[in-house]
Amino acid sequence: DTEVTQTPKHLVMGMTNKKSLKCEQHMGHRAMYWYKQKAKKPPELMFVYSYEKLSINESVPSRFSPECPNSSLLNLHLHALQPEDSALYLCASSQDQQGLGSYNEQFFGPGTRLTVL
Amino acid sequence: QKEVEQNSGPLSVPEGAIASLNCTYSDRGSQSFFWYRQYSGKSPELIMSIYSNGDKEDGRFTAQLNKASQYVSLLIRDSQPSDSATYLCAVNLIQGAQKLVFGQGTRLTINP
Repeated sequence: DTEVTQTPKHLVMGMTNKKSLKCEQHMGHRAMYWYKQKAKKPPELMFVYSYEKLSINESVPSRFSPECPNSSLLNLHLHALQPEDSALYLCASSQDQQGLGSYNEQFFGPGTRLTVL
Repeated sequence: QKEVEQNSGPLSVPEGAIASLNCTYSDRGSQSFFWYRQYSGKSPELIMSIYSNGDKEDGRFTAQLNKASQYVSLLIRDSQPSDSATYLCAVNLIQGAQKLVFGQGTRLTINP
């Protein structure tokens, strides 16, 4: 099973709302990732969790707050977002963040299409 | 110099022909290279991984890696309209914190 699931599929929120994006994988992977993708651009890394610890924060504004409750789950908490934060938010997982070869193969979930009004 | 660069496209190829997608990278220490396919409105799908110099074939897809030239390519034989998508080259950079870096993507259209 190489499936990563994300909920919700679509989310519309106002700038004062608080919402959360959820991601789940059951592949036994120990690294999980959040990416942001704008139209006609490649995915842009936001956060990496490795063995449930935050490994990389790509200088993401504090209105995005990641959380890894356990090795299968990854959340992204959203607060006071701006319209320019509207994008496709992708979760991915891999066997490990470090190491070589297939350990680094990242599998993406279907994404959450976020619109900030 | 960008960390990962792809030929800008868009690329248009007739059905049945070979589509050739190219990618160069800057980190000489990189060991893992990936090609993702992304249909419009969907998430990226991993279609090929390559770790050693040379060719790796999987069905109609062949990935080629030349570490000395820091060059990765993807060939799609017998192109089908269903191959029309954006193809993203991704390189696992090991300088600093290990992470996957994507090229800008090449939009491929297969014309029936």
